[in-house]
Amino acid sequence: AQSVTQLDSQVPVFEEAPVELRCNYSSSVSVYLFWYVQYPNQGLQLLLKYLSGSTLVKGINGFEAEFNKSQTSFHLRKPSVHISDTAEYFCAVSLPGNNRKLIWGLGTSLAVNP
Amino acid sequence: KAGVTQTPRYLIKTRGQQVTLSCSPISGHRSVSWYQQTPGQGLQFLFEYFSETQRNKGNFPGRFSGRQFSNSRSEMNVSTLELGDSALYLCASSPISGQGGNSPLHFGNGTRLTVT
Repeated sequence: AQSVTQLDSQVPVFEEAPVELRCNYSSSVSVYLFWYVQYPNQGLQLLLKYLSGSTLVKGINGFEAEFNKSQTSFHLRKPSVHISDTAEYFCAVSLPGNNRKLIWGLGTSLAVNP
Repeated sequence: KAGVTQTPRYLIKTRGQQVTLSCSPISGHRSVSWYQQTPGQGLQFLFEYFSETQRNKGNFPGRFSGRQFSNSRSEMNVSTLELGDSALYLCASSPISGQGGNSPLHFGNGTRLTVT
């Protein structure tokens, strides 16, 4: 069975600093990987996804993530954060193909301070 | 295109009562998934409906039920409410069945249920 671990529950950072949110997964087979973001008082929206191909995936709002198969990781990065990036970030995994359930991490709360 | 609409946004109920939450998916989306979000448990999958049929189900008691109508709108019902049912309930729509494939989930803003 697949599982997802987000290594940091909270990440405080100053505005314009770089940030990395860490996600490790466990699976004996290939998986699809996703990052979703939840802004305060809103639902989730997709930031980026890895299905296959290039291991560096670029998403919306300047975020990118790198798939590392040997380390079973899919860390999310942004070189310079803004106050508006303050949100909850969720990593998720599924088996390839359609009609698949997502397995979610518990989330990382990113707090960007001025 | 209108997004996913959930009503109501906020709800306060008493233990033992029942509640019905509504979700209108994006036009053309036939799949609706429901999640319970709490600070301690994160996102917990409740169930998914696709073309009026339940396709997947999470590990929740039978007090939690749902249905989907022919226009793809979905409702979720919780009977005999318990204090622990207090949570943000999110629904998400997709044009295809499942949540992890090529088509991303589109979430509504949720219904905040408080049970007293």
